[in-house]
Amino acid sequence: EAQLVESGGGLVKPGGSLTLSCAASGFAFSSYDMSWFRQAPGKGLEWVSTIPPSSSHMSYADSVKGRFTISRDNAKSSLYLQMSSLRVEDTAVYYCATDPNWDDSWGQGTLVTVSS
Amino acid sequence: DVVMTQSPLSLPVTLGQPASISCRSSQSLVHSNGNTFLHWFQQRPGQSPRRLIYRVSNRDSGVPDRFSGSGSGTDFTLKISRVEAEDVGVYYCMQGTHWTPGFTFGQGTKLEIK
Repeated sequence: EAQLVESGGGLVKPGGSLTLSCAASGFAFSSYDMSWFRQAPGKGLEWVSTIPPSSSHMSYADSVKGRFTISRDNAKSSLYLQMSSLRVEDTAVYYCATDPNWDDSWGQGTLVTVSS
Repeated sequence: DVVMTQSPLSLPVTLGQPASISCRSSQSLVHSNGNTFLHWFQQRPGQSPRRLIYRVSNRDSGVPDRFSGSGSGTDFTLKISRVEAEDVGVYYCMQGTHWTPGFTFGQGTKLEIK
């Protein structure tokens, strides 16, 4: 059974940086597009970024473009999200997930709080 | 950009009664490869999202058959034939056809028991 476990969330000041990790197991990680989604407190779901198996091209939401970087290590079955220049509005639970067009595996989420 | 619009946003339902959620997209969701990447997700309180229906009408493994999806083009519907207590939560439609600006969700429909 596929399992995704996020880590790295926490409290950070505006303008600060944080890196999230997602450890995958139970499926062929290196064959899947992987994505990050987020959900601000009391709000809906928002796509953040996607990376293909080869890391050949990455896609980002306009709200994070230029500030966030998605990457992966297929040898370690791990997905990452480097977040910099964080803003109060980046406060959210961040989920990693497989490509929703073809699969359905989500992590439990990790909370990022941006506050002074 | 593709805009997904759900209605209603709040859905009080009596146990055992049917429920229906509508999702409309601002553009056709038929992909050039012939697939329609419109999916439905359930998010129970305090839990991660879970996909219920993929590509319009296909139920995910373990999803009760009281859930069904239908539609085409720009208009889609999620139906629950008889609502049970465990169905409480927020339901989202999501499109994955148009990659600008990536996956986009509807606003969510909060289902509660009357």
